[in-house]
Amino acid sequence: AQSVTQPDIHITVSEGASLELRCNYSYGATPYLFWYVQSPGQGLQLLLKYFSGDTLVQGIKGFEAEFKRSQSSFNLRKPSVHWSDAAEYFCAVGAGADSNYQLIWGAGTKLIIKP
Amino acid sequence: ETGVTQTPRHLVMGMTNKKSLKCEQHLGHNAMYWYKQSAKKPLELMFVYNFKEQTENNSVPSRFSPECPNSSHLFLHLHTLQPEDSALYLCASSQATSGGAQSTDTQYFGPGTRLTVL
Repeated sequence: AQSVTQPDIHITVSEGASLELRCNYSYGATPYLFWYVQSPGQGLQLLLKYFSGDTLVQGIKGFEAEFKRSQSSFNLRKPSVHWSDAAEYFCAVGAGADSNYQLIWGAGTKLIIKP
Repeated sequence: ETGVTQTPRHLVMGMTNKKSLKCEQHLGHNAMYWYKQSAKKPLELMFVYNFKEQTENNSVPSRFSPECPNSSHLFLHLHTLQPEDSALYLCASSQATSGGAQSTDTQYFGPGTRLTVL
């Protein structure tokens, strides 16, 4: 069965420091991979997605993620975080275009920014 | 209004009450979703509507009843809920192809309704 693991429930980073949020998935074929962000009191917003091609994906707000098939990972990175990046981040996996439309979601990682 | 809106933003109800959550999308999409978001748990897909037809019901208890009168509006009718139903209920929409919603479709989310069942 497909699954998504975000090992870190919380991460605290100083403003201006680099960030990496981990996401590991379990899926037999090539997955469709997503990162969403949820700011306090807001709905989820798509940061970036990977379907195929270049394994380093650029997203909005200066985020990027790298798909590593050998590690079944799709970690999210940002070189320098801003206080406005404080939010909860969700990784999700899609089963594929010929399958259903359901996304399998991770439990989220809450990012806390230290001034 | 732009994007996906949800009303009310907060709702407190007793277990014997009947209430409804409303979602409206202004994006011209043709697929809409209800999710339940509980603390420290992954999002749970509850219902999906493709072209106004319900195509998914993920074993959701009958005390939750969805309604999709048109492609822009989605309701979630609530009755005789339990305290464990307290959660953030998120609505989302996407633009599906003629083949129906796919996991490759980008979903656009509303801000959610924070539901508390006493």
